[in-house]
Amino acid sequence: GQNIDQPTEMTATEGAIVQINCTYQTSGFNGLFWYQQHAGEAPTFLSYNVLDGLEEKGRFSSFLSRSKGYSYLLLKELQMKDSASYLCAVRDSNYQLIWGAGTKLIIKP
Amino acid sequence: SAVISQKPSRDICQRGTSLTIQCQVDSQVTMMFWYRQQPGQSLTLIATANQGSEATYESGFVIDKFPISRPNLTFSTLTVSNMSPEDSSIYLCSVEDKGTSGPTEQYFGPGTRLTVT
Repeated sequence: GQNIDQPTEMTATEGAIVQINCTYQTSGFNGLFWYQQHAGEAPTFLSYNVLDGLEEKGRFSSFLSRSKGYSYLLLKELQMKDSASYLCAVRDSNYQLIWGAGTKLIIKP
Repeated sequence: SAVISQKPSRDICQRGTSLTIQCQVDSQVTMMFWYRQQPGQSLTLIATANQGSEATYESGFVIDKFPISRPNLTFSTLTVSNMSPEDSSIYLCSVEDKGTSGPTEQYFGPGTRLTVT
């Protein structure tokens, strides 16, 4: 079956750095997405990786290793507004999006 | 990027009744999707709404329970039929569109929070 694993919850301190990991086992691979979802709101797109390596976008970076079925989302200079759930999703060989359960990130002052 | 609106934003319904959720997109899109998200859980795809043909349902979801309409490229409805408390969830409409950064992204509506009593 298809499976995406992320930690359920993480806690970090304002101003620090946090890395949220995602491992996946899917039938084929056509890209990996990270979405941010604030409580009570819809998910919004953060990043996309289709080739191995690091994609940087301001305070957020996302890394992919296809051979290891592994990605991480790195958040730097954490702000209180970064408190949210972070969803990892993989597009499989049928171009369907397979969603992880999400990681709830709690930022403490 | 696509802008999506949903109606209603929330509703409280009695068991045995039905609710129709509307989804409107500000541009023509080929792919429209309906998701369910139960509290503290991730997104579960209910079905893909196809314009001009029947929706394609995922395992565990059937047309009698979740009939879907897609009359044109900017609008779709999802009906939750004969509701039970287990149907209490957030229902999200989603579309695929080419983002500014290149990949085909999924954009989500604000969701409909349904509570069945």
